[in-house]
Amino acid sequence: AQRVTQPEKLLSVFKGAPVELKCNYSYSGSPELFWYVQYSRQRLQLLLRHISRESIKGFTADLNKGETSFHLKKPFAQEEDSAMYYCALRPFSGGYQKVTFGTGTKLQVIP
Amino acid sequence: NAGVTQTPKFQVLKTGQSMTLQCAQDMNHEYMSWYRQDPGMGLRLIHYSVGAGITDQGEVPNGYNVSRSTTEDFPLRLLSAAPSQTSVYFCASSTGVGNTEAFFGQGTRLTVV
Repeated sequence: AQRVTQPEKLLSVFKGAPVELKCNYSYSGSPELFWYVQYSRQRLQLLLRHISRESIKGFTADLNKGETSFHLKKPFAQEEDSAMYYCALRPFSGGYQKVTFGTGTKLQVIP
Repeated sequence: NAGVTQTPKFQVLKTGQSMTLQCAQDMNHEYMSWYRQDPGMGLRLIHYSVGAGITDQGEVPNGYNVSRSTTEDFPLRLLSAAPSQTSVYFCASSTGVGNTEAFFGQGTRLTVV
């Protein structure tokens, strides 16, 4: 069984401060990890995935298989980063694989 | 591009009523899914489909039915609404193997009184 844990329901940081949203996972096979973001009253959208190893809107995330973590980081928070962030896991395998979402972390950037 | 379109955006039902939440995508995606989003519980998979004519249960299927008669449409039916089904419902679609990004609809906020 796969499981995604986001230990923080709410993370408040000041504008310009570093951000780290934590995500830990449990899965015995090879996972694909994602971060989705949901801005106020908008649909969920993909922020980044570990396979592409790209930086989106200044956010990065590195898959740490030893610690089974996929923390989302940004060096300097902006007010527009305030949103709900979901970490998600999908087994890395052919065909349809169910995506498991964490419970989400609300990021609040204080001006 | 329209992407994934859900209707309605808001709905209030009385306990025991039935209704259908509509979901349509215009990206020719094979995979479609329904999730419910509840505070403190994240998104939970209700039902999913890997192609027209094929559906399967997710994590929380009880009280819901789905069908997939076309690639584009994946309606979710509430058979007899209960207050526990008060939630925000999201439909998502994705392509087959090789592209795992899920595209979400804007959500349907359902209240059952």
